[in-house]
Amino acid sequence: DIQMTQSPSSLSASVGDRVTITCRASQSISSYLNWYQQKPGKAPKLLIYAASSLQSGVPSRFSGSGSGTDFTLTISSLQPEDFATYYCQQSYSTLSMYTFGQGTKLEIK
Amino acid sequence: EVQLVQSGAEVKKPGESLKISCKGSGYSFTSYWIGWVRQMPGKGLEWMGIIYPGDSDTRYSPSFQGQVTISADKSISTAYLQWSSLKASDTAMYYCARRLRIAVAGTDSHWFDPWGQGTLVTVSS
Repeated sequence: DIQMTQSPSSLSASVGDRVTITCRASQSISSYLNWYQQKPGKAPKLLIYAASSLQSGVPSRFSGSGSGTDFTLTISSLQPEDFATYYCQQSYSTLSMYTFGQGTKLEIK
Repeated sequence: EVQLVQSGAEVKKPGESLKISCKGSGYSFTSYWIGWVRQMPGKGLEWMGIIYPGDSDTRYSPSFQGQVTISADKSISTAYLQWSSLKASDTAMYYCARRLRIAVAGTDSHWFDPWGQGTLVTVSS
């Protein structure tokens, strides 16, 4: 099975900061990596698909990069509404296992 | 508008059975895979399995194989997740989500959007 590891597990930052979250796969997954945002009490929301493609309607301050085993989600200038938990998900091993990372909780400093 | 609307919260006792639903609208329900995801209280997202409503082809995560049953009724655009005998450890929020796909230049990318609002299942004696 492909394991996905995010770092850090939690992060404190201020409005206006540039923030980077990392996701590492246990084997190469090419660019088959998605990012989701989840706010408390809400369903996950798609931000980035195929490692770097911005979902329609998602602000351009969000960006994704990487391929192979190492990926990053960057928020260029944190806004108050960005404080949430972020998850990566691999879609390399299709249908039976779309594994998620353990999540990164982004909190206000 | 593409939507997935899930059934309401459930409170059950250990050993009881349960079937929760996820109704799609605003798109061709039979043309897209629907996945299910578990989120235990205060924890992360866990992949459970996926179904293609067009022909009911179903795949399970090894962790959930034999523990739950995923099904669909394409006549009413609804996917289901069911348990035959609930345990306290099944207490969680359960989400459904539509799988999207793009295949170009030798790549075949999948992602999930939209998601249902979630169904909270509480199992307690």
